[in-house]
Amino acid sequence: GENVEQHPSTLSVQEGDSAVIKCTYSDSASNYFPWYKQELGKRPQLIIDIRSNVGEKKDQRIAVTLNKTAKHFSLHITETQPEDSAVYFCAGGEPGGGADGLTFGKGTHLIIQP
Amino acid sequence: EAGVAQSPRYKIIEKRQSVAFWCNPISGHATLYWYQQILGQGPKLLIQFQNNGVVDDSQLPKDRFSAERLKGVDSTLKIQPAKLEDSAVYLCASSVLAGGGEAQYFGPGTRLTVT
Repeated sequence: GENVEQHPSTLSVQEGDSAVIKCTYSDSASNYFPWYKQELGKRPQLIIDIRSNVGEKKDQRIAVTLNKTAKHFSLHITETQPEDSAVYFCAGGEPGGGADGLTFGKGTHLIIQP
Repeated sequence: EAGVAQSPRYKIIEKRQSVAFWCNPISGHATLYWYQQILGQGPKLLIQFQNNGVVDDSQLPKDRFSAERLKGVDSTLKIQPAKLEDSAVYLCASSVLAGGGEAQYFGPGTRLTVT
């Protein structure tokens, strides 16, 4: 099955700086890669996703890049703000007969220092 | 549009007892997922339904966990008997379709503590 590795486990950046979180996946058949933000005690919230026919996608301060050859994808947050502090999870979807449950990374705790 | 609903939000039981969780997906979403999130980890898929059929239950511990979605809408997840290691947040998610990389939206979860 799919295996998703996520780094770093903790990332501390100054407010206004950029943050980058990286993930690798093992199954070349995976074609869907969402990113979720989870605040303490809250549900995971989808913030951006990318499909394997696209190399990059951007939504305001958030962007995701995908390198299918290397099997890695990254989340980029620019001009970080205090409300960006949370745990971020990457995930990979492995299609096959309609089965597309997500395999999640272990999460990155992003801390925005004022 | 209403989101995914789950109940109860919190449950405390003793080991070897049974417990059930309920989920109501977003209206019109054909696919429903149950995930288990242990503290400090990412969610782990337990089971996926499309309408009222099981698509993937390969990671469901079938000796103690069961799930159903009889009418293709609401779903229940049951644990019997519970073990200490079942302490986790149980998240329900839904998506419009399956197999094509559709966005999954999560409910607030049920936090289970087994003592």
